[in-house]
Amino acid sequence: SQQGEEDPQALSIQEGENATMNCSYKTSINNLQWYRQNSGRGLVHLILIRSNEREKHSGRLRVTLDTSKKSSSLLITASRAADTASYFCATDRGGSNYKLTFGKGTLLTVNP
Amino acid sequence: ETGVTQSPTHLIKTRGQQVTLRCSSQSGHNTVSWYQQALGQGPQFIFQYYREEENGRGNFPPRFSGLQFPNYSSELNVNALELDDSALYLCASGPWDSPLHFGNGTRLTVT
Repeated sequence: SQQGEEDPQALSIQEGENATMNCSYKTSINNLQWYRQNSGRGLVHLILIRSNEREKHSGRLRVTLDTSKKSSSLLITASRAADTASYFCATDRGGSNYKLTFGKGTLLTVNP
Repeated sequence: ETGVTQSPTHLIKTRGQQVTLRCSSQSGHNTVSWYQQALGQGPQFIFQYYREEENGRGNFPPRFSGLQFPNYSSELNVNALELDDSALYLCASGPWDSPLHFGNGTRLTVT
């Protein structure tokens, strides 16, 4: 079953604009990660935020985590056409196996 | 480039047949996980192997099985294929409790 739900399901913006994607999840988590997937290919890890962190930055990416609302957001600043991809949040609960539970993803299209 | 390679890239099978998908991980990655991704959905966890033992399983029937070998390669076997097994199968590896490195997947079509 899917743990997270990304919002919106699809987002279309112009190059240079910022893109914000949201993720909600249902159970307590250990970490939350964001992955990117180009059409029909493998997923690439973007950023990990731990449950005791509230915000994290990596280059043009900014992730926030609100554990009280069970939600996270991914902001991509100054978007480029090459950022066009599907973005997934994934949570893990720690413990004896490293199982990631993914949402359904947001399809981001950046128009040149 | 993640260092995780999967083969074959595409495969067409008939309902009822059996299939073996292969994955080669990076040296030092002692966990390997397999995920199933249906069209338009997020990946779903099938199982994880750690040091050649199954270490957690998702909501998949026993006809989904796997193996992990000492040389960082692994296999996913699916018996008695059903139409709903058509999906992208992703192998992911990494050190314990670290972000995963995904391969590009095997696209399986069951007819």
